[in-house]
Amino acid sequence: DAGITQSPRHKVTETGTPVTLRCHQTENHRYMYWYRQDPGHGLRLIHYSYGVKDTDKGEVSDGYSVSRSKTEDFLLTLESATSSQTSVYFCAISERGEGSGNTIYFGEGSWLTVV
Amino acid sequence: TQLLEQSPQFLSIQEGENLTVYCNSSSVFSSLQWYRQEPGEGPVLLVTVVTGGEVKKLKRLTFQFGDARKDSSLHITAAQPGDTGLYLCAGESGSARQLTFGSGTQLTVLP
Repeated sequence: DAGITQSPRHKVTETGTPVTLRCHQTENHRYMYWYRQDPGHGLRLIHYSYGVKDTDKGEVSDGYSVSRSKTEDFLLTLESATSSQTSVYFCAISERGEGSGNTIYFGEGSWLTVV
Repeated sequence: TQLLEQSPQFLSIQEGENLTVYCNSSSVFSSLQWYRQEPGEGPVLLVTVVTGGEVKKLKRLTFQFGDARKDSSLHITAAQPGDTGLYLCAGESGSARQLTFGSGTQLTVLP
C-alpha cells in the first residue's frame, strides 16, 4: 500500500463546468503524476510534479492544469470539462529504488463522466 | 514522442496453456516495467528490468529485456484463471522519470 488517496472516486459533471480531482499521499515522495486511461491508449501522462510548486506538462496536457502547494497533495483541474475528458484518472507517485529504475505506485483511480 | 507497441491487444486462452506478450519500441529505454491491472483498480508493478538482456522470473512469469533495451517480453507458463487481467508495459526515459505506457494486453484465462 503506497498511501495514495484519490478523491472523488466517481463523479458525473456537465460540459463546461470546472472539476478538480485531488491526490493525497502519505509517503512524502517527491514525484507525483496524473495519468488518464482510455481504451486502446493505455495510460497517458497529463501533468507531473517534481516538487512543491514545480510542475510540467505531459503528453496530453491540453485542457488540464495542476497545482502542488504541499508535498502531499497534487490537484488536477479541468477548467471547463468536455465530453472528451470522460476517462479514468490515475494519480501516481514515484521513488527511486536502488538500481531498480523508477518505481511508480498508482492510486485506485477517479472515474469522471462529462455529460 | 516515444511509443511502445504492445501485442497482442487481447488474448484468451485455456488454463494450463503458455503465452507470451510483447512490448516493442524504436526507442531505447533506461528501464522497462511490467504492470498488472485488475478492473476498478490501479496498475500494480510486477517487475522492473534495467539491463539489456536481463531476464527476471517471478514464479510462473518470466520477463526479458532486449539486448538493445528497446523491447521486452512477458512469458507466462501454465496460465491460471487468477492471471486474468490487463498487462501493461512501460518504459522509462529522461531525467523527469516519466514512463511511456503501452496500450496493454487484456488476458483472459478460462478454467
